[in-house]
Amino acid sequence: DGGITQSPKYLFRKEGQNVTLSCEQNLNHDAMYWYRQDPGQGLRLIYYSQIVNDFQKGDIAEGYSVSREKKESFPLTVTSAQKNPTAFYLCASSIAGRDSGGYTFGSGTRLTVV
Amino acid sequence: GIQVEQSPPDLILQEGANSTLRCNFSDSVNNLQWFHQNPWGQLINLFYIPSGTKQNGRLSATTVATERYSLLYISSSQTTDSGVYFCAGKIQGAQKLVFGQGTRLTINP
Repeated sequence: DGGITQSPKYLFRKEGQNVTLSCEQNLNHDAMYWYRQDPGQGLRLIYYSQIVNDFQKGDIAEGYSVSREKKESFPLTVTSAQKNPTAFYLCASSIAGRDSGGYTFGSGTRLTVV
Repeated sequence: GIQVEQSPPDLILQEGANSTLRCNFSDSVNNLQWFHQNPWGQLINLFYIPSGTKQNGRLSATTVATERYSLLYISSSQTTDSGVYFCAGKIQGAQKLVFGQGTRLTINP
């Protein structure tokens, strides 16, 4: 079955560390997205990519970095510059373009700073 | 930027009840979608509904694009319907899907 796989489910980060969250999809979607969700809140866009080797900043990109070397993969790195990284991170994919159709989401990664 | 307002913010019902959730947009949108987030955090796409009405079992949705709102109907609620319901849309010409703050639905047995 096609879908999006995020790993790990839970991640603990020490102060000053960089950590990378994995997102892989086998839906043959061109577009991929990273969202952040804080408790009791909606989703905010971190980065998105419409095509391989290209990506754009979303609304809250500071302290994060991404790469898109393969169509199937869109990893997110939470750097030490992100001052409040504890949150739930969700990856999604869709067909590219303005009429992108429905988004498909992964099951998320819960990141905690210790 | 675009504002997405969902109402009510919280809704508590008994099993078997019907409910209507509303989503208002501050600007014209396309790609309007409804999602259900279960207690484990998984977001499930319920409807992709830029306009018109769609039905899927006990759930249905209607979008009136000219009036900038969408409604999600849940009939004969079950405890498994509990969770947070989000609507989201894109402004014309934009690439970003913007989410509302969600409606938290609790269905008691």
